[in-house]
Amino acid sequence: KQEVTQIPAALSVPEGENLVLNCSFTDSAIYNLQWFRQDPGKGLTSLLLIQSSQREQTSGRLNASLDKSSGRSTLYIAASQPGDSATYLCAVMANDYKLSFGAGTTVTVRA
Amino acid sequence: GAVVSQHPSWVICKSGTSVKIECRSLDFQATTMFWYRQFPKQSLMLMATSNEGSKATYEQGVEKDKFLINHASLTLSTLTVTSAHPEDSSFYICSASKTATEAFFGQGTRLTVV
Repeated sequence: KQEVTQIPAALSVPEGENLVLNCSFTDSAIYNLQWFRQDPGKGLTSLLLIQSSQREQTSGRLNASLDKSSGRSTLYIAASQPGDSATYLCAVMANDYKLSFGAGTTVTVRA
Repeated sequence: GAVVSQHPSWVICKSGTSVKIECRSLDFQATTMFWYRQFPKQSLMLMATSNEGSKATYEQGVEKDKFLINHASLTLSTLTVTSAHPEDSSFYICSASKTATEAFFGQGTRLTVV
């Protein structure tokens, strides 16, 4: 059974600092990996999707890397802003297209 | 494109009653939809996979008679929590796949059973 772990569970930084969020998974036989953002009491917003054959994806201030062989992904958020405060979830898709989620990293960016 | 709408966004019901939650893909057809449950400060747990025109596939430990799933069309799946009890209070989220590889999520439904 796929297990997804996210470290740290919570992170608080001053505005402008770069954020580094880590995700690890136990089974490297994945189809893809997605990073989501979840605001309190809300649904999920997809941030980045990395196919299993890719090493990284970038969108604006966000960059996600994937090392499938070691079972790791990292989400980088450059020059953080208070609006980046949210919970970030990592999810891996298996070859049966089911997603396994980590518990998330709750980020607070202080103005 | 790829918008998934979930309704209602929150609901309060009395213990013993049933509640229906709808999940619609607004601008694409989804042959597969997924239902998740999320407890406070915990991750999303997959409850079941809903396939259009066939019976849902439930994950281990999920009571199929308690969580009825119907996927009657390519744009609509419903989750009915039957005979709800306070322990069923949770955040329920659906997702729909436009292709097999990327999932789009609804905004979630906060269920409170009193």
